[in-house]
Amino acid sequence: AQTVTQSQPEMSVQEAETVTLSCTYDTSESDYYLFWYKQPPSRQMILVIRQEAYKQQNATENRFSVNFQKAAKSFSLKISDSQLGDAAMYFCAYRSATGANSKLTFGKGITLSVRP
Amino acid sequence: NAGVTQTPKFRILKIGQSMTLQCTQDMNHNYMYWYRQDPGMGLKLIYYSVGAGITDKGEVPNGYNVSRSTTEDFPLRLELAAPSQTSVYFCASTFTGPPWTEAFFGQGTRLTVV
Repeated sequence: AQTVTQSQPEMSVQEAETVTLSCTYDTSESDYYLFWYKQPPSRQMILVIRQEAYKQQNATENRFSVNFQKAAKSFSLKISDSQLGDAAMYFCAYRSATGANSKLTFGKGITLSVRP
Repeated sequence: NAGVTQTPKFRILKIGQSMTLQCTQDMNHNYMYWYRQDPGMGLKLIYYSVGAGITDKGEVPNGYNVSRSTTEDFPLRLELAAPSQTSVYFCASTFTGPPWTEAFFGQGTRLTVV
């Protein structure tokens, strides 16, 4: 079974600085998708960024980028120029690319606070 | 598009009562999921469905039941509510393509069992 591990329960960053959130996963599959979701106090789950495992290039979305290391099974999220609105809980998630087993598995999440 | 709609948003149940959490999506997604999120924790999968008429258990299915009679709807039934079921419940859907999509979530249902 696939597992997703986020070992840091909390992190803090100064406004305008850069922060990296860590995520590792365990799988025996070669084709899968990885995601970072943001959950602000409103509870809404918001997709931040996604990565297809077959793509070597790291995904980027404006201030958000990932460092995807397939061999190490690592998928970290870098937030540049942190803003107060980035304060939220962040979840790393895994989903198999095979249609027969597309359970979406989440890590425990990390609470990010942004200091003004 | 409405996306994924969950009702109700809040509910208080007494121990032993039953209720159904409704979830509907209008994106013609084949996969649907139910998760629970306990305070300060991640999302745990309760049940999921790969299409109409097909459901399967996730990590924490005890005390819950689901059905999927249509592509759009995936209700979650709580029988004999217990305090341990106090949580926030999320419904989500996705398409396993191609083209594939990320999962879209409802706004959650905060359930308290007293």
